[in-house]
Amino acid sequence: KQEVTQIPAALSVPEGENLVLNCSFTDSAIYNLQWFRQDPGKGLTSLLLIQSSQREQTSGRLNASLDKSSGRSTLYIAASQPGDSATYLCAVSKRNTGNQFYFGTGTSLTVIP
Amino acid sequence: EAGVAQSPRYKIIEKRQSVAFWCNPISGHATLYWYQQILGQGPKLLIQFQNNGVVDDSQLPKDRFSAERLKGVDSTLKIQPAKLEDSAVYLCASSSAATYGYTFGSGTRLTVV
Repeated sequence: KQEVTQIPAALSVPEGENLVLNCSFTDSAIYNLQWFRQDPGKGLTSLLLIQSSQREQTSGRLNASLDKSSGRSTLYIAASQPGDSATYLCAVSKRNTGNQFYFGTGTSLTVIP
Repeated sequence: EAGVAQSPRYKIIEKRQSVAFWCNPISGHATLYWYQQILGQGPKLLIQFQNNGVVDDSQLPKDRFSAERLKGVDSTLKIQPAKLEDSAVYLCASSSAATYGYTFGSGTRLTVV
């Protein structure tokens, strides 16, 4: 069974700092990896999707990388802002499970003004 | 493109009562998922539909939970009778072969008292 771990569980940084969130998974035979953002009491908003043939994706101040061989992904946030405060979830899917995503428990990010 | 619609947004019920949640996926998305997210944890898959057929319901507590997707579009998830440990956010997501990733609805927060 796929296990997804996110470290750290919580992170607090001053505004303007660059930061990295980590995600690791036990089974490297993944299909896709997706990073989500979740605001308190809300649903999940997709940030970046990396397909198995890709190594990274970028959107604005966000960059996500994928290293399947080591079972790791990182989400890099540049020039953090208070509005980035949220929980960030990493999820991986396997092709032979109908693209079911397995989620980590998330990293709770607080950006201090 | 309209997103994934879920209702209600919030529900408070007493234990042993029944409750139902509704989801309308993005138009044309053949695959629909129901996830349960307990506070402080990552979402856990309950059931996956492909059109109106069940792909995987191995983690659905079938003694109390049921779900259906009529005509391959809308879906309902029912809990009967509810237990205290069912308190969670119930998330619906949809995907298509073209999108690879998931789009989530805003979720239904259930509190069982």
